[in-house]
Amino acid sequence: DAGVIQSPRHEVTEMGQEVTLRCKPISGHNSLFWYRQTMMRGLELLIYFNNNVPIDDSGMPEDRFSAKMPNASFSTLKIQPSEPRDSAVYFCASSRGQGAGNQPQHFGDGTRLSIL
Amino acid sequence: GQQVMQIPQYQHVQEGEDFTTYCNSSTTLSNIQWYKQRPGGHPVFLIQLVKSGEVKKQKRLTFQFGEAKKNSSLHITATQTTDVGTYFCAGRGQNFVFGPGTRLSVLP
Repeated sequence: DAGVIQSPRHEVTEMGQEVTLRCKPISGHNSLFWYRQTMMRGLELLIYFNNNVPIDDSGMPEDRFSAKMPNASFSTLKIQPSEPRDSAVYFCASSRGQGAGNQPQHFGDGTRLSIL
Repeated sequence: GQQVMQIPQYQHVQEGEDFTTYCNSSTTLSNIQWYKQRPGGHPVFLIQLVKSGEVKKQKRLTFQFGEAKKNSSLHITATQTTDVGTYFCAGRGQNFVFGPGTRLSVLP
């Protein structure tokens, strides 16, 4: 079975540029999560969707961050404009069921983002 | 807000020694999950605990959920080099929050 697929694996860009991260969840999973991982702040839940609807975006740090899930097999996390402090590894995860923490989450390989 | 803490932050053990990491929540949890992340990898789900006082085993790993459902532990018996990584607990209370993790190093 294909796992959660994220692209790109690595992204290096200059501050001020728009960054778009992509995620394809596991087929049949109806919850999707975006996380950010840094040494200082650990693993933070940014937003999660259930049946393509955003349920909780309280973890989204600023208005510069936005996420969409236009269909069950695709989601994007966009940062515009990007800043050096956005440098981190961004993970997408998916699970069955509703809500965060009810079912095991399956993580993608992550996108390592560096903003210069 | 809900906070989840883990101790220790780092642990270095000799191969064959035991290892334990402890997870504590500021609020009562509905359940708790444990994940392992290898260096350079992504978190991988290990187990979920739901019941008060629950104990589950996976080979050399023993997971326990506290009676008050506010703490949990992961114990590894006779560590191996393949156990290297960071172990995270994640608690579901008002929100779903990951702990900061315990990074385990195993010296051969």
